[in-house]
Amino acid sequence: QKEVEQNSGPLSVPEGAIASLNCTYSDRGSQSFFWYRQYSGKSPELIMSIYSNGDKEDGRFTAQLNKASQYVSLLIRDSQPSDSATYLCAVKDTDKLIFGTGTRLQVFP
Amino acid sequence: DGGITQSPKYLFRKEGQNVTLSCEQNLNHDAMYWYRQDPGQGLRLIYYSQIVNDFQKGDIAEGYSVSREKKESFPLTVTSAQKNPTAFYLCASSRSLPGSSYNEQFFGPGTRLTVL
Repeated sequence: QKEVEQNSGPLSVPEGAIASLNCTYSDRGSQSFFWYRQYSGKSPELIMSIYSNGDKEDGRFTAQLNKASQYVSLLIRDSQPSDSATYLCAVKDTDKLIFGTGTRLQVFP
Repeated sequence: DGGITQSPKYLFRKEGQNVTLSCEQNLNHDAMYWYRQDPGQGLRLIYYSQIVNDFQKGDIAEGYSVSREKKESFPLTVTSAQKNPTAFYLCASSRSLPGSSYNEQFFGPGTRLTVL
């Protein structure tokens, strides 16, 4: 059974700090990785996708992929209270995605 | 406006009833998916479809049925055989390019089903 693991949190960071969210996956052959943000009571929203080793930056978000160590992370710079949400990591498995259970992030003023 | 719509937003079902959840997309995506999310848990795949008139079971298909008669529509029926159907149901769609490593999925707003 292929798995995607995330720490459930909550991860609490002060406003303006860097939030670091981590995800590990079991299938060494995985090629495509995604980060979703889900506000309470709402549906997931795609915020980042990454396919190659290294960093990918988009505004305040940076996704980092290390295939050798089988982990993918999401950094949120200058965290804002509006970033408080659950962040879901997903890994592509042939024609579907496998989701982690998510990490709850709390950004306090 | 391109997107994915789900209806209804809230649905209440009595024990023993079948109910159908609607999912429509105008993104011209080939693939569509149904997930179930329980409080504090991740997404579990119920069914998915890569092309019209074809679909595959996901991890928790028992007690559910789907159809894919049109590219734009992928309705989910929750049958009376589903023992614990109260959950948040999410529909998603993606492009489905042969051999592609991508296939980002985009979600509809969800339907919250409660069994009375």
